[in-house]
Amino acid sequence: DAGVTQSPTHLIKTRGQHVTLRCSPISGHKSVSWYQQVLGQGPQFIFQYYEKEERGRGNFPDRFSARQFPNYSSELNVNALLLGDSALYLCASALPPVANEQFFGPGTRLTVL
Amino acid sequence: AQSVTQPDIHITVSEGASLELRCNYSYGATPYLFWYVQSPGQGLQLLLKYFSGDTLVQGIKGFEAEFKRSQSSFNLRKPSVHWSDAAEYFCAVGGETNAGKSTFGDGTTLTVKP
Repeated sequence: DAGVTQSPTHLIKTRGQHVTLRCSPISGHKSVSWYQQVLGQGPQFIFQYYEKEERGRGNFPDRFSARQFPNYSSELNVNALLLGDSALYLCASALPPVANEQFFGPGTRLTVL
Repeated sequence: AQSVTQPDIHITVSEGASLELRCNYSYGATPYLFWYVQSPGQGLQLLLKYFSGDTLVQGIKGFEAEFKRSQSSFNLRKPSVHWSDAAEYFCAVGGETNAGKSTFGDGTTLTVKP
């Protein structure tokens, strides 16, 4: 079975632009979480979606938004990009009720110039 | 608020030597604890997890970890390190009420000397 997939692998944007990152969970998984990993730090929780509803949000500005589709895939959107948004964005899927056992994708490396 | 501290930013061990990576957590309820490994440019791979029961848990690649509630610790150990173990290791804490949300430490980079 395929693992969690993310696209694109790498992305370069300039300040002020908008970006959309995509994630496909493992087949059968209904929970998707997004994390931001800045170089030299651990992943930081951004959002969690379960059954297409937001179930948790980390300490991120409103420029960050996400949604989950009927097939449980998910998009993370970031508006008005800042240099500090440069990071590896990780998606994780889980099969509730043991939703804390997450499976991570390879991530999308976003560089903001 | 939950938090994780990994006191050692960087550890160097010789191949074949034993390894212990430290992790301290803060969590108001029964914690779910995890260790992940990340190779450069890669996502996170789960090494092991603790939810309840036996406080010594076995994981993949010969790793084990011991949960000590009194010390709020969940240290990762391996009796004999291989060169392929060189990577970054992250400890994380979650909880049943925070399904799909985990708090990570800032990681420990492991270098293995030949």
